[in-house]
Amino acid sequence: ETGVTQSPTHLIKTRGQQVTLRCSSQSGHNTVSWYQQALGQGPQFIFQYYREEENGRGNFPPRFSGLQFPNYSSELNVNALELDDSALYLCASSPGDSQETQYFGPGTRLLVL
Amino acid sequence: AQRVTQPEKLLSVFKGAPVELKCNYSYSGSPELFWYVQYSRQRLQLLLRHISRESIKGFTADLNKGETSFHLKKPFAQEEDSAMYYCALNYGGSQGNLIFGKGTKLSVKP
Repeated sequence: ETGVTQSPTHLIKTRGQQVTLRCSSQSGHNTVSWYQQALGQGPQFIFQYYREEENGRGNFPPRFSGLQFPNYSSELNVNALELDDSALYLCASSPGDSQETQYFGPGTRLLVL
Repeated sequence: AQRVTQPEKLLSVFKGAPVELKCNYSYSGSPELFWYVQYSRQRLQLLLRHISRESIKGFTADLNKGETSFHLKKPFAQEEDSAMYYCALNYGGSQGNLIFGKGTKLSVKP
């Protein structure tokens, strides 16, 4: 059983650009959640996908969007990058039952200059 | 509004001493609370959740609805407990809707 993987590990972008981050769920998991973790803060919930449909969203603007694919891998897209988008982006997968534990990936560190 | 507060950024104790990491929450519904831990150079992982009422690595946490608290305790700290600890509240039906506190860094000195 493989764990949650994320790519890339690090990324540098400039303000106004667009970025796509990728997440591969743990085998057998059909639910993925994305979080933003700014320096010195706890993770903040961005949104969740369940069986390719958005299943909940936190307080993030529409320029944060996502996709989940039939193999349950996922993407987080951020348009019109702002300096404050610099953070560690975490994805977490779970089997889909609300009682089941989420398993986190190692994160992608994004720096916006 | 839902909120999780961890008042201590850093907690430093000596090996063998008791540890209590504080967590207070604000939520009008029936809360589901968790403690997550992140060891150095490792990913965030679940330590325990209140519905399980279990002890993991000697840690326990009791939900106190009257005081809206979910403090994490361990009677005798070990050096390997040094890590970042996050308290989290599930405010939606899915476990993905978690609100995290800012975290407490626990440092256990020899």
